[in-house]
Amino acid sequence: EVQLVESGGGLVQPGGSLRLSCAASGFMFSSSWMSWFRQAPGKGLEWVANIKQDGSDKYYVDSVEGRFTISRDNAKNSLYLQMSSLRPEDTAVYFCSTYRPSGPADYWGQGTRVTVSS
Amino acid sequence: DIQMTQSPSTLSASVGDRVTITCRASQSISSWLAWYQQKPGKAPKLLISKASSLESGVPSRFSGSESGTEFTLTISRLQPDDFASYYCLQYNSYPITFGGGTKVAIK
Repeated sequence: EVQLVESGGGLVQPGGSLRLSCAASGFMFSSSWMSWFRQAPGKGLEWVANIKQDGSDKYYVDSVEGRFTISRDNAKNSLYLQMSSLRPEDTAVYFCSTYRPSGPADYWGQGTRVTVSS
Repeated sequence: DIQMTQSPSTLSASVGDRVTITCRASQSISSWLAWYQQKPGKAPKLLISKASSLESGVPSRFSGSESGTEFTLTISRLQPDDFASYYCLQYNSYPITFGGGTKVAIK
């Protein structure tokens, strides 16, 4: 059974940093593209970033480019999202997901909440 | 960026009703469109990929179709478990983009 468990969310001040983690199990993590998505309170879904199996290709939504970094450790079956220069508009539940080679995202974790506020 | 215009944003329906949700892409996305269902406090669930390919385990009352840049999710006979929010997603090109969502509520 595919399992994705996010962690690392919390309350952070504007301008601060946070690192999210996603522990994967039940599938061949090293063979899978992976994604981060987010959902602001009461709002719709937004794609944040994708990373290729070996980490060689990464894609970001414009609003986080230069501030967020997606990475992975295939030896630890883990996906990460390093977030810096956080803004109130980054407040959201962040989900990790598997991503098929030709898309779309299929299996999702339950999410971790990030709140950016002073 | 490809914009996805989803309508309606909300709809009220009764059990047994036929429900249709539409997404229009701002440019061609071929058939690279997916539909998700999301319930409050839960992660999205993939229902349909490649515009009309039903995911394993998804009830056959759900179906997807396309006509040019217009995509449709149809629920043939609404069941109590179907009251939720639905999102389309285009994965033809980066940035991947969602429609604004449709909340299906009980009439």
